[in-house]
Amino acid sequence: GEQVEQLPSILRVQEGSSASINCTYENSASNYFPWYKQEPGENPKLIIDIRSNMERKQTQGLIVLLDKKAKRFSLHITDTQPGDSAMYFCAASGNMGYKLTFGTGTSLLVDP
Amino acid sequence: DMKVTQMPRYLIKRMGENVLLECGQDMSHETMYWYRQDPGLGLQLIYISYDVDSNSEGDIPKGYRVSRKKREHFSLILDSAKTNQTSVYFCASSLQDEQYFGPGTRLTVL
Repeated sequence: GEQVEQLPSILRVQEGSSASINCTYENSASNYFPWYKQEPGENPKLIIDIRSNMERKQTQGLIVLLDKKAKRFSLHITDTQPGDSAMYFCAASGNMGYKLTFGTGTSLLVDP
Repeated sequence: DMKVTQMPRYLIKRMGENVLLECGQDMSHETMYWYRQDPGLGLQLIYISYDVDSNSEGDIPKGYRVSRKKREHFSLILDSAKTNQTSVYFCASSLQDEQYFGPGTRLTVL
């Protein structure tokens, strides 16, 4: 199977600064790495993803990096706003029929 | 507008009772999933369904079973619920890799 480790579990930053969340995976066959944002009482929502044929992807203040050699991927939120405060989950999926293995989540708090 | 629905949203049951959680999607997605979410553990896959009557165990299937008789519906069944099955249950569906989650069902087993 797959194991995904996510750090940190809690992250507190000042508004306007950047925030970074890191994940590592074990299965070198994993080829799809999504990131989900979950607000309290809500469902997880896909915010950005990256596939193994890319090293970097950027959209609307979010950057994801993938280092296949190190089996590590990361989410970087630039210019954080209070609305970015939420739980963030990374996940990895390989050649196992779209099964996603999730990290344990990062609680991000952006102080105004 | 793509949508995954779950019913009920909240449910309280006593230990030993049967539980039925329903999930629907209007996107004709072949693949559907049931997860549970507990604090500090993230989302854990219970079952995955690749199409009608084509179901596979996920990482934590013990104590659960599923039913998929129509592509748009996927049910999670707890026969004789246990207190440690108190959790938030999410259903999801996908066309390929991208999974879309329903609003969740908060189940309390007393």
